[in-house]
Amino acid sequence: QSVLTQPPSVSGAPGQRVIISCTGSRSNIGAGYDVHWYQQLPGTAPKLLIYGTGYRPSGVPDRFSGSKSGTSASLAITGLQAEDEADYYCQSYDSSLSVYVFGTGTRVTVL
Amino acid sequence: EVQLVESGGAVVQPGGSLRLSCAASGFTFDDYAMHWVRQAPGKGLEWVSLITWDGSTTYYADSVKGRFTISRDNSKNSLYLQMNSLRAEDTAFYYCTRGSIATARYYFDYWGQGALVTVSS
Repeated sequence: QSVLTQPPSVSGAPGQRVIISCTGSRSNIGAGYDVHWYQQLPGTAPKLLIYGTGYRPSGVPDRFSGSKSGTSASLAITGLQAEDEADYYCQSYDSSLSVYVFGTGTRVTVL
Repeated sequence: EVQLVESGGAVVQPGGSLRLSCAASGFTFDDYAMHWVRQAPGKGLEWVSLITWDGSTTYYADSVKGRFTISRDNSKNSLYLQMNSLRAEDTAFYYCTRGSIATARYYFDYWGQGALVTVSS
């Protein structure tokens, strides 16, 4: 029972910009906890993509960017590439449940 | 290079027990909290458990509380998950992850390759 809601899928042509939303509540994103994003390529373990809402680990292209406003967060992918086809998950902390929570996941398809 | 390597995944009957291990290398193990995160086949991610750097404090998801026990041996750079009273709904890939801090809460900056636990008769 994920408390962070993401669209099941988004798609775009190569070179386009896509945005993945992550909708939470006042007990998680709205409480000021950072949002982090993970990329999971088919058949592999998740990999950290964005931390602290908007920071990229070393090696992650600047085509990926994160932001947050109110009780929601977003991951933007600009200049979409075929290698970006993957599942993407947001993550935060929920103070009401006292657990770390993940989003429902979004599959990105490059047309 | 940071590496996390899980082992111990297996097929186990409902009600049975299993112990997962995670061997860490490439970083100072006792500087970091560690977590287990699981993913049922074809499903999303679920946080399972956290242990602080010194093993003094542990936390669990409600779904595993009282059945799973997280532990670590800093002298061996190893993390463990003892799973008892296993249920079909515990079937998942179990990932060992390193925890780093942002706004006083963790995110997971490195992940192992995962160990598959299948609970089935």
